Amino acid sequence: KNEVEQSPQNLTAQEGEFITINCSYSVGISALHWLQQHPGGGIVSLFMLSSGKKKHGRLIATINIQEKHSSLHITASHPRDSAVYICAVKDYDKVIFGPGTSLSVIP
Amino acid sequence: DVKVTQSSRYLVKRTGEKVFLECVQDMDHENMFWYRQDPGLGLRLIYFSYDVKMKEKGDIPEGYSVSREKKERFSLILESASTNQTSMYLCASTLSRLAQWSSTDTQYFGPGTRLTVL
Repeated sequence: KNEVEQSPQNLTAQEGEFITINCSYSVGISALHWLQQHPGGGIVSLFMLSSGKKKHGRLIATINIQEKHSSLHITASHPRDSAVYICAVKDYDKVIFGPGTSLSVIP
Repeated sequence: DVKVTQSSRYLVKRTGEKVFLECVQDMDHENMFWYRQDPGLGLRLIYFSYDVKMKEKGDIPEGYSVSREKKERFSLILESASTNQTSMYLCASTLSRLAQWSSTDTQYFGPGTRLTVL
């Protein structure tokens, strides 16, 4: 079993839909990170959180430490949101990346 | 803005060739990292460096070596490329010296190099 799992693996949505991507982990963590990778490879940081909830524009990230689960929500999705979304957790001395969720938003 | 650049976006090499992948960051960051990314496996850490001439093995160092002669530059070397090293290679850096990633620091990634070994 992977230490960090994401669901769904692939997601296709219509423009304007509300999207949720889930991340579950099995290790104790000090921080969780959501990353976005656009076609072509470049990765950018979206959120880093260790508790509660963070919001930036149409993106919302939540984390439940007790349940070892985090969600990334995208409201009013747009084709430019099409990307791979990666969850990463920081264990004591290393970072473990999830396999990613590939999102495609259709106009 | 922090900028992390990688020497090539696409690279095609033959089995047995020596391959150099270069990474440069312009923000005086202490830590630099090399990852490879494969479908279904996520990013996996190959090597990282927390100072000039210092290096630490990551999760999958076999078949790779690294060099950090200057603070801003971190090179990944494939001594004798093999087909199972065909992958996307990503470089990253962080300001902090703390482990790999503190709770307040973030990693800045380069655009990636897609290496194909024939």
